[in-house]
Amino acid sequence: QSVLTQPPSVSAAPGQKVTISCSGSSSNIGNNYVSWYQQLPGTAPKLLIYDNNNRPSGIPDRFSGSKSGTSATLGITGLQTGDEADYYCGTWDSSLSAVVFGGGTKVTVL
Amino acid sequence: QVQLQESGPGLVKPSETLSLTCTVSGDSISTYYWSWIRQPPGKGLQWIGYIYYSGRTSYNPSLKSRVSISVDTSKNQFSLRVSSVTAADTAVYYCARHSRDSSAWYVFDYWGQGTLVTVSS
Repeated sequence: QSVLTQPPSVSAAPGQKVTISCSGSSSNIGNNYVSWYQQLPGTAPKLLIYDNNNRPSGIPDRFSGSKSGTSATLGITGLQTGDEADYYCGTWDSSLSAVVFGGGTKVTVL
Repeated sequence: QVQLQESGPGLVKPSETLSLTCTVSGDSISTYYWSWIRQPPGKGLQWIGYIYYSGRTSYNPSLKSRVSISVDTSKNQFSLRVSSVTAADTAVYYCARHSRDSSAWYVFDYWGQGTLVTVSS
């Protein structure tokens, strides 16, 4: 049972948009920055978004992040087959004194 | 470019100690934070702990009693030890660099490829 709650899966057709939610509490998302990671099959996670809505160099602007209260959202527009992956949110939990991750969301391109 | 590479035994017996090393290239380990993160097969990510180049450490409370992370700046490496392992410790273990661009220290911008450690007799 993850501290941060994500939907197990989302799907959409190529070119469409998907959003992935990440729900937490005041001890984690509510008072800390959120980051998002993409894990392609059989590979290590890759940083997509940091500090709620910033993209590292090289990450296309099709990927966006936002945060409101104790929830965060990752958006992917212009969906491509190469976006099929597991996506994880992460942040610090001050009650647990640990970095915590969501359970992951599998994105399927129909 | 920055690269991290995990190394160590892929098979560990129950009750023994798991030991892994992460070798960093393209960056000096004598800067900022470095972490270990693991992922059981088919499951999500679990942060194990970090080490600061000075040697200061912080561990996930759920693993703290069995985990130790150390650094060897002369070899540009940091290491993980997990004692008294059980089958529940079977996972892909990743080493990762903390981002210097983020306002938060708990963001990981470079990851190793990961190494599968199986706990079995």
